[in-house]
Amino acid sequence: DVKVTQSSRYLVKRTGEKVFLECVQDMDHENMFWYRQDPGLGLRLIYFSYDVKMKEKGDIPEGYSVSREKKERFSLILESASTNQTSMYLCASRHGGGYIQYFGAGTRLSVL
Amino acid sequence: GQNIDQPTEMTATEGAIVQINCTYQTSGFNGLFWYQQHAGEAPTFLSYNVLDGLEEKGRFSSFLSRSKGYSYLLLKELQMKDSASYLCAVRPPDYKLSFGAGTTVTVRA
Repeated sequence: DVKVTQSSRYLVKRTGEKVFLECVQDMDHENMFWYRQDPGLGLRLIYFSYDVKMKEKGDIPEGYSVSREKKERFSLILESASTNQTSMYLCASRHGGGYIQYFGAGTRLSVL
Repeated sequence: GQNIDQPTEMTATEGAIVQINCTYQTSGFNGLFWYQQHAGEAPTFLSYNVLDGLEEKGRFSSFLSRSKGYSYLLLKELQMKDSASYLCAVRPPDYKLSFGAGTTVTVRA
């Protein structure tokens, strides 16, 4: 079974803090994704990476950056957290030649 | 741009059938996914339709009409464990998926 692990289930941070969300997958997948999920809006793509050190902006990249130094790990960085970044963050991975995205259980981030 | 619509909530009785509709208007289409997400858990893959028609997998079936920009997910013989959100997602000809807002299904005894 594919396993996508997000390092924290719940995080509480202060406005202005730098926040790191970590995601690790164990299936040697080339593609990795970061989404945020908000009620009534569904999943929205923040950034994705189609291979190590490669990244592309998704639909809502403002206020976020990412890092992919190793194939199995994809990090989402909030440079200066703001209250409007309070959300559920979901990581996903996919084999480069496949079509199914496999999701982690999510990190619920609260920015106070 | 992408526009994907599905109902917000549906309620049904245990043992019944529920049909969740999804309509889409997208720039490019390479397939449509359905995912299931229980509260506090990861979305899990249910089905993927590329061609028109009905695909059946046990109690769950998914239908696609590309000309109408329409899909539905049919859940038969509902069980309490089917209470979850169901996410419709369209795959355009790139790496990304575009998701609808999700449909929360509540199964009552």
